Amino acid sequence: QLQLQESGPGLVKPSETLSLTCTVSGGSISSSSYYWGWIRQPPGKGLEWIGSIYYSGSTYYNPSLKSRVTISVDTSKNQFSLKLSSVTAADTAVYYCARQTLAAAGTLFFDYWGQGTLVTVSS
Amino acid sequence: QSVLTQPPSVSAAPGQKVTISCSGSSSNIGNNYVSWYQQLPGTAPKLLIYDNNKRPSGIPDRFSGSKSGTSATLGITGLQTGDEADYYCGTWDSSLYWVFGGGTKLTVL
Repeated sequence: QLQLQESGPGLVKPSETLSLTCTVSGGSISSSSYYWGWIRQPPGKGLEWIGSIYYSGSTYYNPSLKSRVTISVDTSKNQFSLKLSSVTAADTAVYYCARQTLAAAGTLFFDYWGQGTLVTVSS
Repeated sequence: QSVLTQPPSVSAAPGQKVTISCSGSSSNIGNNYVSWYQQLPGTAPKLLIYDNNKRPSGIPDRFSGSKSGTSATLGITGLQTGDEADYYCGTWDSSLYWVFGGGTKLTVL
């Protein structure tokens, strides 16, 4: 059974960089059938896609966050990571990592999710 | 303001049927497949429907999905109190990014 687990600091100071890692177990991150994504959810609000990465390193980012986001992959550790720079209180959210399946017809969907980790931006 | 528009809330009695709409445009729903996600309180989202109308293994057939033009619909029949959750639609936008709807809170009265 595939499992994803987010890890990283739960508290980040304003203007600093938020860094999270997602560890994938029970499957290989190097499969050609999947992207690996980050999604966040501010308290009491909806889901916001941050970006996704392919095992080769190709990335897609939310245009509204693109200038501050970097997603990278480490296939040797079966992990992928998120860096969000210059954070403010508006970046306080539960951050989820998820697998995004790329089906034969070109369809995409998130089928496995981590449990999420709350990151608070505060001094 | 989400690119995909969902009603903020819907409600129905146990045993009844409810539908949740998701409205987009030709750059997203109109030319791409839609998926739906259920988020129970305090938990991570869970895939309910993919490819507009397919159910992953383990999802009961009380849940259904459809798409017409630039809109998609999630249907839930035989409502149970355990279905109370937030529901989100999602799809790829041809401008090369993923979009979620704003979410719909389902209340089973």
